[in-house]
Amino acid sequence: DAKTTQPPSMDCAEGRAANLPCNHSTISGNEYVYWYRQIHSQGPQYIIHGLKNNETNEMASLIITEDRKSSTLILPHATLRDTAVYYCIVRAGMDSSYKLIFGSGTRLLVRP
Amino acid sequence: GAVVSQHPSRVICKSGTSVKIECRSLDFQATTMFWYRQFPKQSLMLMATSNEGSKATYEQGVEKDKFLINHASLTLSTLTVTSAHPEDSSFYICSARDVSFQAFFGQGTRLTVV
Repeated sequence: DAKTTQPPSMDCAEGRAANLPCNHSTISGNEYVYWYRQIHSQGPQYIIHGLKNNETNEMASLIITEDRKSSTLILPHATLRDTAVYYCIVRAGMDSSYKLIFGSGTRLLVRP
Repeated sequence: GAVVSQHPSRVICKSGTSVKIECRSLDFQATTMFWYRQFPKQSLMLMATSNEGSKATYEQGVEKDKFLINHASLTLSTLTVTSAHPEDSSFYICSARDVSFQAFFGQGTRLTVV
């Protein structure tokens, strides 16, 4: 299973973009990169996922490097409610049997 | 997104008793559900994978006789913590996977064993 490395904590100012990096240098060609976040004492919330192309949805953008060894989650205009632990996960296993293994994540603090 | 409901959200039980936690997929069928445990200030740890109609697959180090998992239907999985002890106090979270293999999480159950 490919492992991920994330900085333990980051902070950004409210209204600014939050760029959260993730290193997954051992990722295989058919493995997806997923991002989830967990607000205190709640279950994780899905944010976005991608394989090789950059992706964007209403919550965030995902930039994956060409060699796929790292990615960046971008929250374009962070709000106080975006304060959470963000997990970058490489999906382990084939489609029907994959399971999500969580690393230690990045604790993002959005400052007023 | 799809909704996964866990019940109860909080439970306090006496040492030696058993506690059942339910996980339901409300608007989709989930052939596979996952159970996680999370201690304070730590990440989620996968305990087991449960497939509808078959036995659960437990991760290494997780006692299957201690944590009984039943996945009797496509919308319901249960986790029973048997003979609970204070060290079993934790935040238990379930996840259900839909047909597109997207995983959605419940809101978690905080178990306190006294």
